[in-house]
Amino acid sequence: DADVTQTPRNRITKTGKRIMLECSQTKGHDRMYWYRQDPGLGLRLIYYSFDVKDINKGEISDGYSVSRQAQAKFSLSLESAIPNQTALYFCATSGLAGSTGEQFFGPGTRLTVL
Amino acid sequence: GESVGLHLPTLSVQEGDNSIINCAYSNSASDYFIWYKQESGKGPQFIIDIRSNMDKRQGQRVTVLLNKTVKHLSLQIAATQPGDSAVYFCAENTGGFKTIFGAGTRLFVKA
Repeated sequence: DADVTQTPRNRITKTGKRIMLECSQTKGHDRMYWYRQDPGLGLRLIYYSFDVKDINKGEISDGYSVSRQAQAKFSLSLESAIPNQTALYFCATSGLAGSTGEQFFGPGTRLTVL
Repeated sequence: GESVGLHLPTLSVQEGDNSIINCAYSNSASDYFIWYKQESGKGPQFIIDIRSNMDKRQGQRVTVLLNKTVKHLSLQIAATQPGDSAVYFCAENTGGFKTIFGAGTRLFVKA
């Protein structure tokens, strides 16, 4: 089984709809991240969490919110989706401070907002 | 097909040749660098990393070179294979939580 899973893998929705993307991990990592990926722009950080009680904004958090339901689960919500949120979304995890800093990514969710 | 990387720099190499992918990083305080490989339809996957106190590190068929003077990082792939076709990202980290990713380079391997 994959260490980091994301659901759904693909989603098409309409402007104004609320959308939730879910991420689960079995790596036992405390740190979890949400990124979006757009053509030519690499990965940009939306939100990150160091543990269940710690949530922090990344560089492009406007229009998004997150919930860390448990160590293994980190969900991303779009409260009112807009077309420029069409992108690939990746969840990632990493180990504790002092580790290599390598991040482990899920397979991604392709979101299209019409 | 995958829409990621439509406008990325592209490197095309012949199977069996060596590939060199370059990356300029932005923060002189970055002390840890990583190369990731992203195949179509998948998330990025760790390839190799290097700390700022080193200038070269070798893995299996891959070598990363770090030139801190000009803030340049390169990934060398020996004897490139069709399975190496992917988008490659460099990433920099200042030792904390935040990793900054480059835009990526698409590698095409011609059989």
